[in-house]
Amino acid sequence: NAGVTQTPKFRILKIGQSMTLQCTQDMNHNYMYWYRQDPGMGLKLIYYSVGAGITDKGEVPNGYNVSRSTTEDFPLRLELAAPSQTSVYFCFAGSVGTNQPQHFGDGTRLSIL
Amino acid sequence: GNSVTQMEGPVTLSEEAFLTINCTYTATGYPSLFWYVQYPGEGLQLLLKATKADDKGSNKGFEATYRKETTSFHLEKGSVQVSDSAVYFCALSFPNSWGKLQFGAGTQVVVTP
Repeated sequence: NAGVTQTPKFRILKIGQSMTLQCTQDMNHNYMYWYRQDPGMGLKLIYYSVGAGITDKGEVPNGYNVSRSTTEDFPLRLELAAPSQTSVYFCFAGSVGTNQPQHFGDGTRLSIL
Repeated sequence: GNSVTQMEGPVTLSEEAFLTINCTYTATGYPSLFWYVQYPGEGLQLLLKATKADDKGSNKGFEATYRKETTSFHLEKGSVQVSDSAVYFCALSFPNSWGKLQFGAGTQVVVTP
């Protein structure tokens, strides 16, 4: 089992370009989340999903979109990249229950120049 | 709103020293509290958690006790190793919002031989 897989690991974009950050999990978790981590700060929630076909905004959703057509995949899309979106992005997946495992991906480091 | 405050790093220690990382929180209601650890180049891993007042979470020699009266969840380890060098994040969430975590800024710990 790979847990949560994020691709790509690194990417440089120009202002105004678009891209999709991929997140796939093989643990059959219902709950999936996208966080961003800025230097010297904790992670902030962008979007989340509690199951296929269901998504909702987190704390910092502006400039991003998500979809959840399958349990396994939760892609994050940037339509018009801006320098403020330079960050490290983490996908997180898990299941409700105090003893259920949870998994973070290894992150995607995105620079927008 | 809810917030988590951690002591600033980096914290530099010698091997076998005692480690304490302070964490306090502000929240309406009764959150669950977590410590996550992030090793270089990796995603976050859940280190330990506590779901109610006076609970003690423990894992890999680390401990933290949920102190409602002081709204704190300080992380401690009696004898650190070089392999404990990482960034440690304190976080909270509420039972009806599983996975929606409010993080502190993180504390970098450097353990030298």
